[in-house]
Amino acid sequence: GDSVTQTEGLVTLTEGLPVMLNCTYQTIYSNPFLFWYVQHLNESPRLLLKSFTDNKRTEHQGFHATLHKSSSSFHLQKSSAQLSDSALYYCALSGSNNRIFFGDGTQLVVKP
Amino acid sequence: NAGVIQTPRHKVTGKGQEATLWCEPISGHSAVFWYRQTIVQGLEFLTYFRNQAPIDDSGMPKERFSAQMPNQSHSTLKIQSTQPQDSAVYLCASGTGGYEQYFGPGTRLTVL
Repeated sequence: GDSVTQTEGLVTLTEGLPVMLNCTYQTIYSNPFLFWYVQHLNESPRLLLKSFTDNKRTEHQGFHATLHKSSSSFHLQKSSAQLSDSALYYCALSGSNNRIFFGDGTQLVVKP
Repeated sequence: NAGVIQTPRHKVTGKGQEATLWCEPISGHSAVFWYRQTIVQGLEFLTYFRNQAPIDDSGMPKERFSAQMPNQSHSTLKIQSTQPQDSAVYLCASGTGGYEQYFGPGTRLTVL
């Protein structure tokens, strides 16, 4: 079945350093939609990025990700972390019956 | 556009009591999703409606939990005989099928 894997449960880094959160997925569909959601403390998840185009970089609010179907990956990156980026990040996949499958989430902690 | 509306925002019940949670999706959205979120389990899918019809309830506990969508403007999640382990934030999201979802603010359920 469809699934999303986020290998890091917690990523801690210093402000100004680059961010990379890993996401791989599994699906039988040849044209999946991939998403990144961000959830700040005491808030609900909010859509950050989405893509369905292979090998095309998508960007929003300083974050970017590229869907690579060859490796079934959709890693989230940012060149320079800010304190305000501290949040829980979910990678998600639109799979069978149009349900969206979420990964377990990666908690990003940015320290001064 | 008011976004997804969930009521109540907080609910406290005694063990064994019933809890009904309400969700009003964004107007025009054909899909409504229910999730449960806890620190331990993370974001758990419960059930999904499309055009008011139940599509996938594979995440719903088979006993005590039920969901309905009697019209396009609201959905309810009912938990009978609530137990302490039901304590969680229950999130409703709406969207246009298999594309991005927009989450409501959630209902924090506390079962004493």
